[in-house]
Amino acid sequence: AQSVTQLDSQVPVFEEAPVELRCNYSSSVSVYLFWYVQYPNQGLQLLLKYLSGSTLVKGINGFEAEFNKSQTSFHLRKPSVHISDTAEYFCAVSVRSGGYQKVTFGTGTKLQVIP
Amino acid sequence: DAGVTQSPTHLIKTRGQQVTLRCSPKSGHDTVSWYQQALGQGPQFIFQYYEEEERQRGNFPDRFSGHQFPNYSSELNVNALLLGDSALYLCASSLTTGEGTDTQYFGPGTRLTVL
Repeated sequence: AQSVTQLDSQVPVFEEAPVELRCNYSSSVSVYLFWYVQYPNQGLQLLLKYLSGSTLVKGINGFEAEFNKSQTSFHLRKPSVHISDTAEYFCAVSVRSGGYQKVTFGTGTKLQVIP
Repeated sequence: DAGVTQSPTHLIKTRGQQVTLRCSPKSGHDTVSWYQQALGQGPQFIFQYYEEEERQRGNFPDRFSGHQFPNYSSELNVNALLLGDSALYLCASSLTTGEGTDTQYFGPGTRLTVL
């Protein structure tokens, strides 16, 4: 079975500073990786995904993430955060299981951008 | 494209009652997954519907049941409600490829409060 670990439950950062949200996964088979953002009282919005190819993927709102197979990580980064980035961020891992897709989410990281 | 829609947005029930939540998938999608997100937690997979059948199920009791209609829309039913069922219920739709690379798109959720 696969699992996802988001070690940081909360990350405070000053506006215009860089940020990294960490995500590590565990799986015995090949994985596909996703980052979602959730604003208060809303559903999840896809930020970016890694399916194959280049290990550095770029997403919406200036976010990017790098797939590191040896470290089993998929950390999310942004070089300069804005107040509007305050939200909760979820990492998810997907595997192919019996011809189906099985998705597991992490527990989330709350990003608090300080003015 | 309306994206994934869910109804109702909020619902208040009492213990022992039954509830039905509804989801319309994104245009072109054939698969609907349901998640429960308790306060401060990541989404927990309940089950997934494809071709009007339950294809996968998470670790939820039989009180949780569902249905998918020929137009791919879906319902989640919860019987004998418990206080612990209070949560945000998220619907996600995707197009099944069989490769594990399907991207799930989420609706805004239904906030269920059990008193």
